[in-house]
Amino acid sequence: AQTVTQSQPEMSVQEAETVTLSCTYDTSESDYYLFWYKQPPSRQMILVIRQEAYKQQNATENRFSVNFQKAAKSFSLKISDSQLGDAAMYFCTRGGADGLTFGKGTHLIIQP
Amino acid sequence: NAGVTQTPKFQVLKTGQSMTLQCAQDMNHEYMSWYRQDPGMGLRLIHYSVGAGITDQGEVPNGYNVSRSTTEDFPLRLLSAAPSQTSVYFCASSRRVGAGNTEAFFGQGTRLTVV
Repeated sequence: AQTVTQSQPEMSVQEAETVTLSCTYDTSESDYYLFWYKQPPSRQMILVIRQEAYKQQNATENRFSVNFQKAAKSFSLKISDSQLGDAAMYFCTRGGADGLTFGKGTHLIIQP
Repeated sequence: NAGVTQTPKFQVLKTGQSMTLQCAQDMNHEYMSWYRQDPGMGLRLIHYSVGAGITDQGEVPNGYNVSRSTTEDFPLRLLSAAPSQTSVYFCASSRRVGAGNTEAFFGQGTRLTVV
């Protein structure tokens, strides 16, 4: 089975500071995509950022960036200048033709 | 834009009852899928479809049926509800990115309670 592991069930950060959420994954494919999804209390799943495995450059979306280490199968999410609206569950996800494989999620708490 | 529309948002069933969760997308995506989310488990794939008339099982398919008669619709049927099927259900519609990969857009979810 191809798995995704998020080792931090919960993280807490002060507003305006930086936090990094960790993720490791397992895959036998050479071409794949990795995603971070955010799930706020509204329950909606929101795509935060996407990384294509064949691209060495780390993806960035405004305050969100990733550290993609392909050889180590590591895909961490860095949130800069944390805001109260960033409080949510964050899921690391590996994409494939037969569907997505999700990690168990990290609950991010933003302290005002 | 509607995107992915799931109905209903909430549902309570009695053990043994059947029901259908509806899912419709207006993005003309070939790929659609159903997931369930349980506490501490992340989302797990129930069934998926790569196009009209084609469906396949995911990680947790038992107790669920699907069909795909049109590109737009992908209903999920619970044949005889059990308390173990109490969960939040998400429908997703996916566009192709790269070779053999997809990027998912989710509906708002259905919270189902089986008593």
